[in-house]
Amino acid sequence: NAGVTQTPKFRILKIGQSMTLQCAQDMNHNYMYWYRQDPGMGLKLIYYSVGAGITDKGEVPNGYNVSRSTTEDFPLRLELAAPSQTSVYFCASMLAGVEKLFFGSGTQLSVL
Amino acid sequence: DQQVKQNSPSLSVQEGRISILNCDYTNSMFDYFLWYKKYPAEGPTFLISISSIKDKNEDGRFTVFLNKSAKHLSLHIVPSQPGDSAVYFCAASAGIQGAQKLVFGQGTRLTINP
Repeated sequence: NAGVTQTPKFRILKIGQSMTLQCAQDMNHNYMYWYRQDPGMGLKLIYYSVGAGITDKGEVPNGYNVSRSTTEDFPLRLELAAPSQTSVYFCASMLAGVEKLFFGSGTQLSVL
Repeated sequence: DQQVKQNSPSLSVQEGRISILNCDYTNSMFDYFLWYKKYPAEGPTFLISISSIKDKNEDGRFTVFLNKSAKHLSLHIVPSQPGDSAVYFCAASAGIQGAQKLVFGQGTRLTINP
């Protein structure tokens, strides 16, 4: 049982480049989330989804886009990478009614 | 505007003793609280939670205490073991139903010394 899988694990981008962080879960969870963690800070919610076709903004959505076409996948898109987006990104999922999140192992992104 | 604060960036405890990690919150709408544990190069993993209708929840060596009047919660680990060395995040949400939009503290790095 893979749980929540994130790819890639590491990535270096140049300013202005675009990329998609992939996230997939095999637990048939309704809810999925994207968080970012900056050094010495807690995790901050970027976007979340309560089901296929439904997404909503979190605390820090600027510079990011998401889509949820299937229950399993929740990719995060960075259109014009900026140094402020250098962070560790975590995807998470949760089954409705079971109040705990399962996290992936993270993607470390550097924008130079 | 840090709604959830963990004021101790690090804590060092001897093996076998009690570890106490603290967390304060400012939003009175928070009614569900969780602790997550994180090892290097891994995602956070759920440890224990507590609803605002309780003041204590226990799971093996881990106990979480909630003081709503003080807007404070703490995690007790007894006895502490070397495998407990990790970063611990406190998190809170408003509304246990629906999507858990958690607000996290900054984390406390716990080191258990042999």
